[in-house]
Amino acid sequence: DAKTTQPPSMDCAEGRAANLPCNHSTISGNEYVYWYRQIHSQGPQYIIHGLKNNETNEMASLIITEDRKSSTLILPHATLRDTAVYYCIVRGIYYSGGGADGLTFGKGTHLIIQP
Amino acid sequence: SQTIHQWPATLVQPVGSPLSLECTVEGTSNPNLYWYRQAAGRGLQLLFYSVGIGQISSEVPQNLSASRPQDRQFILSSKKLLLSDSGFYLCAWNQGADTEAFFGQGTRLTVV
Repeated sequence: DAKTTQPPSMDCAEGRAANLPCNHSTISGNEYVYWYRQIHSQGPQYIIHGLKNNETNEMASLIITEDRKSSTLILPHATLRDTAVYYCIVRGIYYSGGGADGLTFGKGTHLIIQP
Repeated sequence: SQTIHQWPATLVQPVGSPLSLECTVEGTSNPNLYWYRQAAGRGLQLLFYSVGIGQISSEVPQNLSASRPQDRQFILSSKKLLLSDSGFYLCAWNQGADTEAFFGQGTRLTVV
């Protein structure tokens, strides 16, 4: 079952802020929002995650709405190397003798940074 | 620091041949380990996960199996490959249920 909805693709000019939206209207109170990205033919790379407060790190900012039903990943100054598929994931927990976190990936947003 | 190694990077195998993909993690102990597959133009599908030695959980029925003979070693296998087994296979690990996952660089398998 898809837990998140993202636009299939977006364009952004190099040097501008890239704002990637994600809807997760069925998120439960103890589920985090995670963002990963996958550059072509590489493994996914963790970007950022949050529960309900906005978060910022050296790669990006994550803005989560007050009702937690949607979020936006912001890349403040996009470069050509940011071209990738970006995955928004609501993290589910598998309980199996201690728990494991099987991330469920949707199709993501293909972000294309234009020179 | 922790690192994850996955090999080989690319593999071409005939239909009906066996498969063994290996993944090892360094710099941590008792990690959760995962195998994902990504078919061409599609998202990542979780195949197997493991919370400890000898403990394997399968997410989807398939022609593949997984084993964890050592704490930081995760192996994906098949006795007889099918054309539909072609894809990009990724190994990942995390330390606990509230931490981010780290992925290997993947193995691109082509079954011919």
